[in-house]
Amino acid sequence: EAQVTQNPRYLITVTGKKLTVTCSQNMNHEYMSWYRQDPGLGLRQIYYSMNVEVTDKGDVPEGYKVSRKEKRNFPLILESPSPNQTSLYFCASSSPSRPSGTTYNEQFFGPGTRLTVL
Amino acid sequence: GENVEQHPSTLSVQEGDSAVIKCTYSDSASNYFPWYKQELGKRPQLIIDIRSNVGEKKDQRIAVTLNKTAKHFSLHITETQPEDSAVYFCAASIKGNTPLVFGKGTRLSVIA
Repeated sequence: EAQVTQNPRYLITVTGKKLTVTCSQNMNHEYMSWYRQDPGLGLRQIYYSMNVEVTDKGDVPEGYKVSRKEKRNFPLILESPSPNQTSLYFCASSSPSRPSGTTYNEQFFGPGTRLTVL
Repeated sequence: GENVEQHPSTLSVQEGDSAVIKCTYSDSASNYFPWYKQELGKRPQLIIDIRSNVGEKKDQRIAVTLNKTAKHFSLHITETQPEDSAVYFCAASIKGNTPLVFGKGTRLSVIA
């Protein structure tokens, strides 16, 4: 089954304790992205990756790191979490339209990770 | 960069009525405009999208219109049903390898 998976789905942690949220897709998509969703603010992009070893900042990258060593995985790292990073996080992936490759197809979202930082 | 404004933030309609959600974008180079539906506790899912080479697209009870001159696009849901109740997000993307920029969402409630 084509899907995007995230782990963990729920996490409660304390300020300063490093954590990683994993994201994996089995659709061979080039593009992957992380969003956070907060009430009234919609989906805000944290980081994205166009392909392996290519990452770029989104709108709210402060306090986060990512890596893209393999095409299928795009982990989100919080080196020193703070309470303002309490949020619902979504990973998403997509692939360029063929044959032109100039626009993107549908983004598939993972199930979400609800993070609480105390 | 691109900025997407979405209105209204909340919308209540009677079952069977139509619902319209509007979005404006800032960058005239944007050429891909998807709409996502997010039911309570679930992930956003694509319901319809439109590219800049067409002005309207329909899929059963939902339709999207695009006005490139005015830089706005709208989602139309006809004959609304309780299962249409959800948060709807519009988004825009500039041609090429750039990410989607989302609106802040509209919470639609369909009252039976």
